[in-house]
Amino acid sequence: DAGVIQSPRHEVTEMGQEVTLRCKPISGHDYLFWYRQTMMRGLELLIYFNNNVPIDDSGMPEDRFSAKMPNASFSTLKIQPSEPRDSAVYFCASSLGGFSSPLHFGNGTRLTVT
Amino acid sequence: GESVGLHLPTLSVQEGDNSIINCAYSNSASDYFIWYKQESGKGPQFIIDIRSNMDKRQGQRVTVLLNKTVKHLSLQIAATQPGDSAVYFCAGHPGNDMRFGAGTRLTVKP
Repeated sequence: DAGVIQSPRHEVTEMGQEVTLRCKPISGHDYLFWYRQTMMRGLELLIYFNNNVPIDDSGMPEDRFSAKMPNASFSTLKIQPSEPRDSAVYFCASSLGGFSSPLHFGNGTRLTVT
Repeated sequence: GESVGLHLPTLSVQEGDNSIINCAYSNSASDYFIWYKQESGKGPQFIIDIRSNMDKRQGQRVTVLLNKTVKHLSLQIAATQPGDSAVYFCAGHPGNDMRFGAGTRLTVKP
């Protein structure tokens, strides 16, 4: 099992540019989560999907953030336009059974917006 | 809402000693708890979990204790090794969310 795969591992971009983060969940998992980790706020849930359908996006900070899951094996998190305060590590996680079972995390994308 | 916090931000132990990392939670409706380990440059890695109908669960070198009366969770690591050095998070499930604590950085001294 390859685990949750995220790309890119690092992204450096200038303010105002569009950023797209990608995630491949563990095969067979029916839930997918996007988290953001910063020193100040720790791990924050942004959005999660069940069977490719967005269930709760209340953690998405602004309309500049959007997420899609076109199929069971792929999800994207897009920031447009990006701002310096978006700099963080973004994690994708998947699980079988939602929050009542362990979340399996990818190794994250470290985003730096200058 | 739920808040999950840790008593100490850092913990330093001697190799071979036992480590205890503590966590407090606020929402008595939380029915599922997980401990994660995060190494530098990696995502949180599942260690052990416990449901609210249990008060103790053991894994390989790790034990989680749950005290629902005082809303307290602890992770015990036996015979701590250098490879155990990492940040440890507790997480609680108070409904449609998984709330993470701030983390405790465990350092193992040789």
